[in-house]
Amino acid sequence: DQQVKQNSPSLSVQEGRISILNCDYTNSMFDYFLWYKKYPAEGPTFLISISSIKDKNEDGRFTVFLNKSAKHLSLHIVPSQPGDSAVYFCAASLNNDMRFGAGTRLTVKP
Amino acid sequence: GAGVSQSPSNKVTEKGKDVELRCDPISGHTALYWYRQSLGQGLEFLIYFQGNSAPDKSGLPSDRFSAERTGGSVSTLTIQRTQQEDSAVYLCASSPPTSGRVHEQFFGPGTRLTVL
Repeated sequence: DQQVKQNSPSLSVQEGRISILNCDYTNSMFDYFLWYKKYPAEGPTFLISISSIKDKNEDGRFTVFLNKSAKHLSLHIVPSQPGDSAVYFCAASLNNDMRFGAGTRLTVKP
Repeated sequence: GAGVSQSPSNKVTEKGKDVELRCDPISGHTALYWYRQSLGQGLEFLIYFQGNSAPDKSGLPSDRFSAERTGGSVSTLTIQRTQQEDSAVYLCASSPPTSGRVHEQFFGPGTRLTVL
């Protein structure tokens, strides 16, 4: 069962514009959500997270929004830079159980 | 150094052979996770170790898969009688102790396993 879904396998945006990556989950018990970034031939690296008691968390160019009623979260990157080109994984956690989405490949064109 | 290291980086084996994949977590990290990523798929949870507690093996796909963590540090993932569908990138991650709730995981570079 796929508890975390990223329905867009890829996204392409122009440098300087906003990138919006989406993620949906099915288990309302998840209490923590994270975004990881993965470059080719490297392991994923932690990017930003949000607790289920919040609806927004911002860190520089990266903002994560959580809509619990819709079981939806999104990652906004603004302004997007070519170095942001990578695969982005959404993850949801309950206690020590973490589930990942299939990832969205972001390409930022110069 | 230290990040999470994994070896080998690549492994090609024949169907039916056994393989061992190694993970060296970051020193002091009490939690260790194994995941695999098949082509076009997300990260599939396999097994989780936390300190001296019994591991959470709920993600292991079959009894051909097993893992150990010796001395609370290095972990080995063993796949017996490999099948072609076992081909994937196997990722290890570790987490520091954070008041009993571990969230951020630090990933190794992965081992790419190809079963011919």
